[in-house]
Amino acid sequence: KAGVTQTPRYLIKTRGQQVTLSCSPISGHRSVSWYQQTPGQGLQFLFEYFSETQRNKGNFPGRFSGRQFSNSRSEMNVSTLELGDSALYLCASSFALNYGYTFGSGTRLTVV
Amino acid sequence: QKEVEQNSGPLSVPEGAIASLNCTYSDRGSQSFFWYRQYSGKSPELIMSIYSNGDKEDGRFTAQLNKASQYVSLLIRDSQPSDSATYLCAVSYNQGGKLIFGQGTELSVKP
Repeated sequence: KAGVTQTPRYLIKTRGQQVTLSCSPISGHRSVSWYQQTPGQGLQFLFEYFSETQRNKGNFPGRFSGRQFSNSRSEMNVSTLELGDSALYLCASSFALNYGYTFGSGTRLTVV
Repeated sequence: QKEVEQNSGPLSVPEGAIASLNCTYSDRGSQSFFWYRQYSGKSPELIMSIYSNGDKEDGRFTAQLNKASQYVSLLIRDSQPSDSATYLCAVSYNQGGKLIFGQGTELSVKP
């Protein structure tokens, strides 16, 4: 059974650019969450989607957005990149909350 | 502000000993509790989930939940060097998928 797949694995962008990250959840999982991980702030929740609807949103600026498609695949977009957006972005999926979330390998974003 | 607190460590234990990791949370409305293990350079891996007061055992791992005291702990019996990692406590406050993570406790198991 394939795990959570995130693409790309590594990304280098310039300040002011935008970026789109992709996540394919485990087959059958309808809930997809996104997290940002940095050494200073740890793991912080970005947003969660279930059946194409955003159910929860974290405390991030509007430059961070996401969406989920009918096949449960999800994308997140960051516009007008800032140096502080450099982080590991993790996607996680779950069949149901009580089963916990399985994380993908992450996308390492570096903004220069 | 809902918070999850963990001792940052590092926690060092000898091989074969019991490692005890603790976590406290601020919101009594918390419903689901998880422990994740994260090796350096890797993504978090779910190792335990617990939802009701008491103990839950899975192999060498035991999760303990006390909602009245608002703490959850993880015991690792017969610790192995391969258990050396950062352990993250995560708490869910609603039926959705928003998990609040602690900062993690770094565990080092010495041979």
